[in-house]
Amino acid sequence: QKEVEQDPGPLSVPEGAIVSLNCTYSNSAFQYFMWYRQYSRKGPELLMYTYSSGNKEDGRFTAQVDKSSKYISLFIRDSQPSDSATYLCAMRGGTSYGKLTFGQGTILTVHP
Amino acid sequence: DAMVIQNPRYQVTQFGKPVTLSCSQTLNHNVMYWYQQKSSQAPKLLFHYYDKDFNNEADTPDNFQSRRPNTSFCFLDIRSPGLGDAAMYLCATSRDRTETQYFGPGTRLLVL
Repeated sequence: QKEVEQDPGPLSVPEGAIVSLNCTYSNSAFQYFMWYRQYSRKGPELLMYTYSSGNKEDGRFTAQVDKSSKYISLFIRDSQPSDSATYLCAMRGGTSYGKLTFGQGTILTVHP
Repeated sequence: DAMVIQNPRYQVTQFGKPVTLSCSQTLNHNVMYWYQQKSSQAPKLLFHYYDKDFNNEADTPDNFQSRRPNTSFCFLDIRSPGLGDAAMYLCATSRDRTETQYFGPGTRLLVL
């Protein structure tokens, strides 16, 4: 069983739709949760960073963490074609030395 | 702009022929990481340097080595590449082990 499971998609939505991306994990030691966006042939770029359970909003993006269910989500409101990318969830423990454990990524396409 | 630079962006090598990938950073970060990302898979940490201190992941094959001659540069050496080593290699940096990791654009390695 993988430590982090992420539905690879692909996910295709019309412009303006609300997108929901999710990851589940098995390691209860994870305390820091991130979402990275990776455009084709580019490195991952940090989108959202949250600690422990709760919600965090940044513009059109909202990250949710439910530690009791070991489940994290990223919501994108009013999706744009420029949001088309692979979205990777990543997480690490509180005492780890910085090692990130990634999901395999969800490929998102937003069509006009 | 401060950034993480990887060279080359694409590298073709022959089976068994040693290859070196390069990463440099202008962020003056203490930590430099190397990840391997195979097609449609999650990035996997190979090793990292905290300053001059090398930290290898337990499951990183001996075929993979790294050097960090100074703060700005880090190299990934693959001593005898096999077909299974074809992947995107991502370099990342962070100011400290618990802080945000910034990724370079990656080097795509093809082994013939």
